[in-house]
Amino acid sequence: DTGVSQNPRHKITKRGQNVTFRCDPISEHNRLYWYRQTLGQGPEFLTYFQNEAQLEKSRLLSDRFSAERPKGSFSTLEIQRTEQGDSAMYLCASSADDREGQPQHFGDGTRLSIL
Amino acid sequence: AQKITQTQPGMFVQEKEAVTLDCTYDTSDPSYGLFWYKQPSSGEMIFLIYQGSYDQQNATEGRYSLNFQKARKSANLVISASQLGDSAMYFCAMREPRGANSKLTFGKGITLSVRP
Repeated sequence: DTGVSQNPRHKITKRGQNVTFRCDPISEHNRLYWYRQTLGQGPEFLTYFQNEAQLEKSRLLSDRFSAERPKGSFSTLEIQRTEQGDSAMYLCASSADDREGQPQHFGDGTRLSIL
Repeated sequence: AQKITQTQPGMFVQEKEAVTLDCTYDTSDPSYGLFWYKQPSSGEMIFLIYQGSYDQQNATEGRYSLNFQKARKSANLVISASQLGDSAMYFCAMREPRGANSKLTFGKGITLSVRP
């Protein structure tokens, strides 16, 4: 049983560049979440998919951020024109269904550093 | 107002002893779920234990148990017989309402260090 997979693990880029992260959820999970975690803080919700539909977006997700889940399987998170404040760990999570207590299972995250 | 409050500074515990990590929460929704996650230095968030707002009994999962005091809005994690591998960040999180179609709101976390 493979867990949530995120690529790349680390990304270093210059300010102003575009970056894209990928998340492969646990295979039977139809719910997928993106979170952002800055140093010394807990993860903050960014967006949520049920299958291919993006059902909720945080106000943290500015116009420079876009997320997709085209076939209801893997998801991508793109940040355009990166800024220093985008430096963070980007975490992806998935869950199976809406039963009470169903946990979200997290990947190892992608650490983004903006030079 | 903060939804999840974790205010303890870094915690230290001797190996094989028990430790309690505090979490208080704020919600007006009668239906909610509380989760604890462990985050080692490697970065992965590991699910530990869940408590539903309507659960009559405190949740237990191996060496982890939850001291759930609904009236006080607290859900403290108790780790018994601490092991060196328990050294990590611990996050309390809430989902409201308790169904899975809802995001998790996390606290700032508590650092636990287990001493040999």
